[in-house]
Amino acid sequence: DSGVTQTPKHLITATGQRVTLRCSPRSGDLSVYWYQQSLDQGLQFLIQYYNGEERAKGNILERFSAQQFPDLHSELNLSSLELGDSALYFCASSVDAAEGSDEQYFGPGTRLTVT
Amino acid sequence: QKEVEQDPGPLSVPEGAIVSLNCTYSNSAFQYFMWYRQYSRKGPELLMYTYSSGNKEDGRFTAQVDKSSKYISLFIRDSQPSDSATYLCAMSRSSIKLSFGAGTTVTVRA
Repeated sequence: DSGVTQTPKHLITATGQRVTLRCSPRSGDLSVYWYQQSLDQGLQFLIQYYNGEERAKGNILERFSAQQFPDLHSELNLSSLELGDSALYFCASSVDAAEGSDEQYFGPGTRLTVT
Repeated sequence: QKEVEQDPGPLSVPEGAIVSLNCTYSNSAFQYFMWYRQYSRKGPELLMYTYSSGNKEDGRFTAQVDKSSKYISLFIRDSQPSDSATYLCAMSRSSIKLSFGAGTTVTVRA
């Protein structure tokens, strides 16, 4: 158990809908990262937050957004869902991403199925 | 061409054998190199974390980084059936964003 929690574990929804995925980082970790894992694209970095502020962006679609709250938990919002958004969404956390790289610990993921 | 190349396998070995995994990369700016293990339907678990070139050993696991060749390796000694999983290499510059390989699926036969 990495100490990172994610809810829900599974999510089934229809095209065009909007969902929110939630992540709680390990105790003491200030950084939260979101990744998408699909069969054809592998693990892709989406976005990183550090202590409430957006720090880095990866291959995140404009339909997707995230935020990190004062208690350091994070939410990933996915809107106007398409079939191709079906994937595993992972959250990871690390202690301090202010400089250099940092060991990232992953949560168990949320499996999103868009029908 | 992908930034990180990893043979997806699958790789099947008998129990007790040495498992050898590797990745190549194209971005010479990568400085941090990691190996993750992922069991089916679970999150990736950090196994090894190294900075720059060199070797690192942790129990049955040895990670090697050769920056001049842009090549990293993971060796698992005395492999066990519980080592059966997908192994992902990952790397980054100082910008935190991890670039992952596709993952190699390993099966250790009892």
